[in-house]
Amino acid sequence: AQSVTQLGSHVSVSEGALVLLRCNYSSSVPPYLFWYVQYPNQGLQLLLKYTTGATLVKGINGFEAEFKKSETSFHLTKPSAHMSDAAEYFCAVSAGTASKLTFGTGTRLQVTL
Amino acid sequence: DGGITQSPKYLFRKEGQNVTLSCEQNLNHDAMYWYRQDPGQGLRLIYYSQIVNDFQKGDIAEGYSVSREKKESFPLTVTSAQKNPTAFYLCASSSTRQETQYFGPGTRLLVL
Repeated sequence: AQSVTQLGSHVSVSEGALVLLRCNYSSSVPPYLFWYVQYPNQGLQLLLKYTTGATLVKGINGFEAEFKKSETSFHLTKPSAHMSDAAEYFCAVSAGTASKLTFGTGTRLQVTL
Repeated sequence: DGGITQSPKYLFRKEGQNVTLSCEQNLNHDAMYWYRQDPGQGLRLIYYSQIVNDFQKGDIAEGYSVSREKKESFPLTVTSAQKNPTAFYLCASSSTRQETQYFGPGTRLLVL
């Protein structure tokens, strides 16, 4: 069984500030971890993923995430927020290829001037 | 362009009516998935299929049905047994050799 917990349903940052969105997971097998972004009334777009290898993963739009097995975490960060980053972000876990994804409940990121 | 298409963008259902949501992909992916999204609940898996003519129930399959007659297509029927169908429905697909699921633009279902 696997599960995902995203801490904070809403996060607000100022433009230019650090973005930190938290994700903790549980999995009975080595996990594959994902971050997706969703803009209003649209589908999900993959930001980045961790499967194996390097634990610091870089994605699109300047985002990155670090897999920490000891903390069962996969937090998403971006050094400097931009207004266009305002969206909902979902963390997800799977057990491997063509496996079911289990999603967190999402974090809505607001970026203010 | 390769991708996943869902139609219609908006769908209205009357009481007691069955409605079908379309999902088509031209990515040559073997696996396809249907998720339901409700505010504050993330995405929940309804059905998935890893090969043509085979599919499995997800976490919330009651009141829904699917078919997988062609590799490219995975339609979802919301039956009258689904008492709370208002939601945003997302279709996804993936290769059996890769771990990433790619999503369509979604269909919003509303009840009249």
